[in-house]
Amino acid sequence: GAGVSQSPRYKVTKRGQDVTLRCDPISSHATLYWYQQALGQGPEFLTYFNYEAQPDKSGLPSDRFSAERPEGSISTLTIQRTEQRDSAMYRCASSLGRGGQETQYFGPGTRLLVL
Amino acid sequence: SQQGEEDPQALSIQEGENATMNCSYKTSINNLQWYRQNSGRGLVHLILIRSNEREKHSGRLRVTLDTSKKSSSLLITASRAADTASYFCATDARGGSEKLVFGKGTKLTVNP
Repeated sequence: GAGVSQSPRYKVTKRGQDVTLRCDPISSHATLYWYQQALGQGPEFLTYFNYEAQPDKSGLPSDRFSAERPEGSISTLTIQRTEQRDSAMYRCASSLGRGGQETQYFGPGTRLLVL
Repeated sequence: SQQGEEDPQALSIQEGENATMNCSYKTSINNLQWYRQNSGRGLVHLILIRSNEREKHSGRLRVTLDTSKKSSSLLITASRAADTASYFCATDARGGSEKLVFGKGTKLTVNP
């Protein structure tokens, strides 16, 4: 596609519910990243995929958070039993290759509000 | 945790003036990148500087890197109202994971 897309753009849920966020990266990009961004802060790394492999998930805050990229393209981030502290912007990015020398292209984000 | 610290946290200037933002980081890096985030929009990559480079230009942007001081600066010359945004530096730690670690950002306001 022309850019990274994310859905939904906004999600309001009640505490305790599960939510699944979706990221559709640029089609030729091997690497996909998930970040969490609190208001007034920079993005914080959650996890990344190289195709379908998930080499680093050290940033996931708890075992309630999980991510998948089963076919090496579209990815989902699932938060189980949501808590109010999970409210944030969730950003997805993709890059052509791996490593910090690659430009990451960000999607518009999903703003999650947990009531 | 966030490695980078941008300085200042907020900056307000008049159109036409230059804006300088600084970033300090803690660990050795391979590369440092600067990103811009407009209000309510996604992050846009501006420029990447490698650890063996000292200065890089792109249009009205000038980035410097001092690895001995673990710091970088972003200079925007002849600023425009459209430059109003938050600016973030991001680093990848040498020998570590390939993830980017972002700072907290500098909020730049350019007044017309």
